[in-house]
Amino acid sequence: GQQLNQSPQSMFIQEGEDVSMNCTSSSIFNTWLWYKQDPGEGPVLLIALYKAGELTSNGRLTAQFGITRKDSFLNISASIPSDVGIYFCAGRPGGSQGNLIFGKGTKLSVKP
Amino acid sequence: NAGVTQTPKFQVLKTGQSMTLQCAQDMNHNSMYWYRQDPGMGLRLIYYSASEGTTDKGEVPNGYNVSRLNKREFSLRLESAAPSQTSVYFCASSESLRALGGAFFGQGTRLTVV
Repeated sequence: GQQLNQSPQSMFIQEGEDVSMNCTSSSIFNTWLWYKQDPGEGPVLLIALYKAGELTSNGRLTAQFGITRKDSFLNISASIPSDVGIYFCAGRPGGSQGNLIFGKGTKLSVKP
Repeated sequence: NAGVTQTPKFQVLKTGQSMTLQCAQDMNHNSMYWYRQDPGMGLRLIYYSASEGTTDKGEVPNGYNVSRLNKREFSLRLESAAPSQTSVYFCASSESLRALGGAFFGQGTRLTVV
């Protein structure tokens, strides 16, 4: 089946630093979504992207839909302790039934 | 606003036992999904229901069955549980398969099969 390659798998950063993570696919996607999952909770949608080249912000979070439609990145500026969690990218492949394909996640840990 | 509600939150089963995971959403969504989450594997789709009355297999359907009881409820059944089914199960819903804005998730059911 189709897969998304999400990187990095994990990262430790100093509070206040900026964070960047990305997802790539071998095939074209029509939609890119970024979720955050806190321990013991379900994923929560952060940002949704629908057009190639689209750049969308949600507070300190910024995500972009790659021009090739095969990648997306998420940036977090000025990280704080509550940013800790697992971030998942997800996408809807072009021409599919519309089901979401998830990346394996980026585990973010912040040093206070 | 409850959103997506899953029951139970935790469950321990013996190998070979059966059980049904319940899911209900109050957002009037047409599409509902069951995912499993394993360490380092992300979320994998087990079954989905595009609309009331329809169900389809996802990426990892073996060992599971589903029922779309009505528009609100979508249950996942394990007929004969196996240790490989130890996982965290998430139910999700969206306005449609192609709904803008993605899917909304429940809090998960943590299942251990011993």
